[in-house]
Amino acid sequence: DAGVTQSPTHLIKTRGQQVTLRCSPISGHKSVSWYQQVLGQGPQFIFQYYEKEERGRGNFPDRFSARQFPNYSSELNVNALLLGDSALYLCASSSVQANTGELFFGEGSRLTVL
Amino acid sequence: AQTVTQSQPEMSVQEAETVTLSCTYDTSESDYYLFWYKQPPSRQMILVIRQEAYKQQNATENRFSVNFQKAAKSFSLKISDSQLGDAAMYFCAYRSPNFGNEKLTFGTGTRLTIIP
Repeated sequence: DAGVTQSPTHLIKTRGQQVTLRCSPISGHKSVSWYQQVLGQGPQFIFQYYEKEERGRGNFPDRFSARQFPNYSSELNVNALLLGDSALYLCASSSVQANTGELFFGEGSRLTVL
Repeated sequence: AQTVTQSQPEMSVQEAETVTLSCTYDTSESDYYLFWYKQPPSRQMILVIRQEAYKQQNATENRFSVNFQKAAKSFSLKISDSQLGDAAMYFCAYRSPNFGNEKLTFGTGTRLTIIP
């Protein structure tokens, strides 16, 4: 079975632009979470979506938004990019019903803002 | 709010030896999950081991084991017989027990180097 897939793997944007990152969860997983990992730090929680509804939001500005589609894939949008948004963006999926707490991560999208 | 602290930014160990990575956390909840995730240069976070707070027995997965001290809010990872493939960043993480809440709170990580 395929794991969590993210696209694109790398991208470069300039300040003020907008970016959309995409994530496909493991088949059967209905929960998708997004994390931002700045170089040298641990991942920071941005959003969680479960059954197409937002279940959690981290301490990020309104420039960050996300949504989940009927097939449980998800998009993360960041508007008005700042240099500080440069980071690895990780998507994770989970089977909430299993309630093991384990998240399965993709390989991330590396965003560079110039 | 929960916090997770990893006080060792870097650790190194000789191949085949044992190393222990430290993690402390702060929470007012009585039940929760704790995890150790490994992040190799390929960037993908991989679960190493999981501990449920209501279980007193320390979790073990092959060469990986934890020392869970609930009262001290300590959760260390022991890697036995270290192998070159163990070289990676290791993150300790906390999760509340609430059903449907999949938010993880991570520490800042420990970079583990294996010396051949």
